[in-house]
Amino acid sequence: GAVVSQHPSRVICKSGTSVKIECRSLDFQATTMFWYRQFPKQSLMLMATSNEGSKATYEQGVEKDKFLINHASLTLSTLTVTSAHPEDSSFYICSARAGGREETQYFGPGTRLLVL
Amino acid sequence: AQRVTQPEKLLSVFKGAPVELKCNYSYSGSPELFWYVQYSRQRLQLLLRHISRESIKGFTADLNKGETSFHLKKPFAQEEDSAMYYCALRHKAAGNKLTFGGGTRVLVKP
Repeated sequence: GAVVSQHPSRVICKSGTSVKIECRSLDFQATTMFWYRQFPKQSLMLMATSNEGSKATYEQGVEKDKFLINHASLTLSTLTVTSAHPEDSSFYICSARAGGREETQYFGPGTRLLVL
Repeated sequence: AQRVTQPEKLLSVFKGAPVELKCNYSYSGSPELFWYVQYSRQRLQLLLRHISRESIKGFTADLNKGETSFHLKKPFAQEEDSAMYYCALRHKAAGNKLTFGGGTRVLVKP
């Protein structure tokens, strides 16, 4: 089946620094990628949807300048948490969907971010 | 607005007993519903979707538009079914994004 990878799997950073998380579709081309955030013992909350070559669509309440998303190719999307603060500590999960009739979203393993 | 509700946060059953995970939704359009499962220390993966009307790992789910429900059922739970289960609704008109329920943790005891 299709595989989505994320890198890094976990990251610890100091408050005020920026962190970049990569999401790759390994064996298919993802026209659409989704970024989610998951707090402990809570469900996944969609942050933004990105289509290759266009600007991401952010969900209400998600700061565009805080969470920069780039989807420059059909196999790579990046999420950059800018000027990270402790409240940004969370589990970030990406998901990728191929175009056409393929409707299944494949999920990455997630990235745990801890901001000190 | 679309919403997915899973009223049970935890379901604990004995091996061999039936298990039913409830999922209710609210959506103005024609719903597409899914069940995702997350085993311990693993990524989220698709379990089944309503349009396929299939049984995966002994689980089935029937879309009931009258009751706006998509409950997940298995007649005889196994220990390996212990996991987190999420019901999700797909919005075709909104870029195919998924809205997830709060999740139900299933614990199957020996």
